[in-house]
Amino acid sequence: DIQLTQSPSFLSASIGDRVTITCRASQDITTYFAWYQQKPGKAPKVLIYGASTLLSGVPSRFSGSGSGTEFTLTISSLQPDDFATYYCQHLNNYPRTFGQGTKVEIK
Amino acid sequence: QVQLQESGPGLVRPSGTLSLTCTVSGASITNNLYYWSWLRQAPGKGLEWIGTIYYSGPTYYNPPLKSRLTLSMDTSKNQFSLKLTSVTAADTAVYYCGRHNPEPYSGYDPLDYWGQGAPVTVSS
Repeated sequence: DIQLTQSPSFLSASIGDRVTITCRASQDITTYFAWYQQKPGKAPKVLIYGASTLLSGVPSRFSGSGSGTEFTLTISSLQPDDFATYYCQHLNNYPRTFGQGTKVEIK
Repeated sequence: QVQLQESGPGLVRPSGTLSLTCTVSGASITNNLYYWSWLRQAPGKGLEWIGTIYYSGPTYYNPPLKSRLTLSMDTSKNQFSLKLTSVTAADTAVYYCGRHNPEPYSGYDPLDYWGQGAPVTVSS
């Protein structure tokens, strides 16, 4: 089974900050990878698939990169609506797994 | 517009069976383009994939849950369901259903539609 190690688990940042979240897979998953955003009491929403493709409607301040085993989610300039928890997920095979999550809070 | 809605008891007794249904509107569960998943999130914890069911294909289960888990479909009602037996407090969570549709995503299959989530507590 593929394990995903996401870091950091918690991040405190200010409006306008550049934020980077990392996810490491236990084996090569090429670009079969997605990022989700979850706000309290709500279902997650997919932001990025294929490691780097933004879903239609996702602000361009979000970007994803990586392939193989190392993946990164970057928010270029943190906005108030971005304070949430972010999860990575591999799409390579079954069982599907998620990273542990990164909670982004206001400093 | 695609919508998913979970339904089922919010309280289940320990050692009992947790049964949830996901009703889909705006898409047919028999369309072979789509497949359907259950996920859960324990209080204050991260997301856990439970399993995925295909209309014309296999069903995949999370190995730690496999011996207690059954996923099924009711095509007449456009619903799919989860049944988890011998539950304990560790099964207390918000349970989500979701849809995969690789076609718009260049063959990748993220969960593009989710239900709002159904909280389930296992307690006597």
